[in-house]
Amino acid sequence: KQEVTQIPAALSVPEGENLVLNCSFTDSAIYNLQWFRQDPGKGLTSLLLIQSSQREQTSGRLNASLDKSSGRSTLYIAASQPGDSATYLCAPSTGYGNKLVFGAGTILRVKS
Amino acid sequence: KAGVTQTPRYLIKTRGQQVTLSCSPISGHRSVSWYQQTPGQGLQFLFEYFSETQRNKGNFPGRFSGRQFSNSRSEMNVSTLELGDSALYLCASSVDGGPYEQYFGPGTRLTVT
Repeated sequence: KQEVTQIPAALSVPEGENLVLNCSFTDSAIYNLQWFRQDPGKGLTSLLLIQSSQREQTSGRLNASLDKSSGRSTLYIAASQPGDSATYLCAPSTGYGNKLVFGAGTILRVKS
Repeated sequence: KAGVTQTPRYLIKTRGQQVTLSCSPISGHRSVSWYQQTPGQGLQFLFEYFSETQRNKGNFPGRFSGRQFSNSRSEMNVSTLELGDSALYLCASSVDGGPYEQYFGPGTRLTVT
C-alpha cells in the first residue's frame, strides 16, 4: 500500500527566499508524480507532472525532481512571493488507472 | 477550454438523507475520479470511471457509489448520510485511461447536520 509523507508539515518564510518541499513515498513502482497547490477551501491546481522516466521538471519559478529508486521527490520554489502561500500536495500514481495517493501536504506561508 | 466543473458547490443535508453530486470533465477527457477531503483523513480516493466503467475503487463503504454517462459526465451518490460524510468532494479528469495529468474541479462542500 502506497504511503506518502511530506516534510515539513508547515513552513513560514519571508518573501524572496528559496525553499524546498519534500515528499517521500513507500512504493517506488510509480508511473508519475504530480505536485499540486490548494488554496483554502478550493480545489487543487496542478503545478508539475513528472513521469517516472524523468529526473526533473520545471515551470517558471518551480522545479520538481524525482528519485524513484529512493522514493523521493522535491519541489523547489525560487524567489518566493506572498501569492505562493497555499498548501502544497504531492501525489504519486501507482497501479492501475489514475488513482493518486496524497500526502498530508505542506502549508506554506510567505510573509511580505 | 473550460475546466472541470462541479455542481452544486455547497450543500447542506440531514443525517439519513441521500445526496447526488455532479462532475463535468474537461472536454475530451474520458476519465473521471472522485476524492473526499476531510481535515482528519486528508485526500482519499473514492473511485475512478473510464468509458462508463468503474476502473478503480477506494476503501469506502457501499453507501458511496458513482456512475459515468456516455458524454463522460459523472455523478456520485451517497446514501444514508452520516455526520462523518461532511467533507469537500473533489472530482478530477484526465484525457485518457491513465496515468495522465489530472485536473481538479473546485469541489462540492457537503455539510451533514
